[in-house]
Amino acid sequence: RKEVEQDPGPFNVPEGATVAFNCTYSNSASQSFFWYRQDCRKEPKLLMSVYSSGNEDGRFTAQLNRASQYISLLIRDSKLSDSATYLCVVRSQGNLIFGKGTKLSVKP
Amino acid sequence: DAGITQSPRHKVTETGTPVTLRCHQTENHRYMYWYRQDPGHGLRLIHYSYGVKDTDKGEVSDGYSVSRSKTEDFLLTLESATSSQTSVYFCAGGQGAGTEAFFGQGTRLTVV
Repeated sequence: RKEVEQDPGPFNVPEGATVAFNCTYSNSASQSFFWYRQDCRKEPKLLMSVYSSGNEDGRFTAQLNRASQYISLLIRDSKLSDSATYLCVVRSQGNLIFGKGTKLSVKP
Repeated sequence: DAGITQSPRHKVTETGTPVTLRCHQTENHRYMYWYRQDPGHGLRLIHYSYGVKDTDKGEVSDGYSVSRSKTEDFLLTLESATSSQTSVYFCAGGQGAGTEAFFGQGTRLTVV
């Protein structure tokens, strides 16, 4: 089983839609969790950290369920500029382990 | 992130030649990482450093070595390049446990 698994997508949604990404991780001792965004042919960039209590940043909401080893990202009111690949990232044994990413395409 | 720069940005090299990729950071990151990114595999850790002259292997370290003689610079060397090492290489830096990492812009390496 891969350490971090994500649905690869692609998710094709219209502008204004709400879209949810899910991620599972295998190491129950994992320490911290993040969502990164990667545009085509660019470097990954931190979108937000994920806290046990859940956290929100504008249209983006991240949730963590340690018991189920599950992380989610919700994007509300999708914009064309949200089109990218979203990477679930887990810090495990000191290192950052990346999922393969979920591709999102927001259409007019 | 302007704080991490990679050089070169693009390189084409021949099979069997040694290649060194450079990562330079101005953010005083304690930890530095080298990843490779390939279609179908996502980002995979090659080596990382947790301080000057302190390095360790990642998931896909075979055929690669690293050096960190000062905080700012982390070098990745392909000892004898092979076509399977054609990839996009990303350097990243961070403060370590519990924290995020910030990436350089990547180096596209083609081994012919």
